[in-house]
Amino acid sequence: AIWMTQSPSLLSASTGDRVTISCRMSQGISSYLAWYQQKPGKAPELLIYAASTLQSGVPSRFSGSGSGTDFTLTISCLQSEDFATYYCQQYYSFPSTFGQGTKVEIK
Amino acid sequence: EVQLVESGGGLVQPGGSLRLSCAASGFTVSSNYMSWVRQAPGKGLEWVSVIYSGGSTYYADSVKGRFTISRDNSKNTLYLQMNSLRAEDTAVYYCARSIAVAAHYFDYWGQGTLVTVSS
Repeated sequence: AIWMTQSPSLLSASTGDRVTISCRMSQGISSYLAWYQQKPGKAPELLIYAASTLQSGVPSRFSGSGSGTDFTLTISCLQSEDFATYYCQQYYSFPSTFGQGTKVEIK
Repeated sequence: EVQLVESGGGLVQPGGSLRLSCAASGFTVSSNYMSWVRQAPGKGLEWVSVIYSGGSTYYADSVKGRFTISRDNSKNTLYLQMNSLRAEDTAVYYCARSIAVAAHYFDYWGQGTLVTVSS
């Protein structure tokens, strides 16, 4: 099984900040990584797949980078609607697994 | 417009059974890879099961032998039959779509249905 370490678990930030979330794998997964945003009481929404491809309709302030074992989600200019929990997901090996989540809260 | 609507959740006693449904619109369930993903209260996401377009099915170890995924092509609906339920199965269950085996990320999700296993 592939172990995933997502960090930080909690991130306090202000509107306008640039924030980065990390996802590290226990073994290489090429670029088979996705990022999701989840708001309280709602289903997750796909932001990025293939490590860096923005899903249609997702604002360009979201970006993803990395390959192999280290991946990053960046929000370039945090907006009020971006306060949420973010999850990474590897789909390189079966079963697909998710990171523990990063909650982005208002500072 | 792609839409997924789950139903069938509720309160069930340990050892009991429940069947979840996920009605799809805007695309054909049988042409895609359909999964169930669950989220225990206050916890992260856990993949549960998938049915491929060809009909093959796979399960997480935690539910293997107790849960069965299926679909009704005529109704464009996905199901999850859950037997021998345990307290640790308590979660919101989401159905979600993937477009390919090599692209097993989820581009559309339902709103979720809550399953509570408690006496």
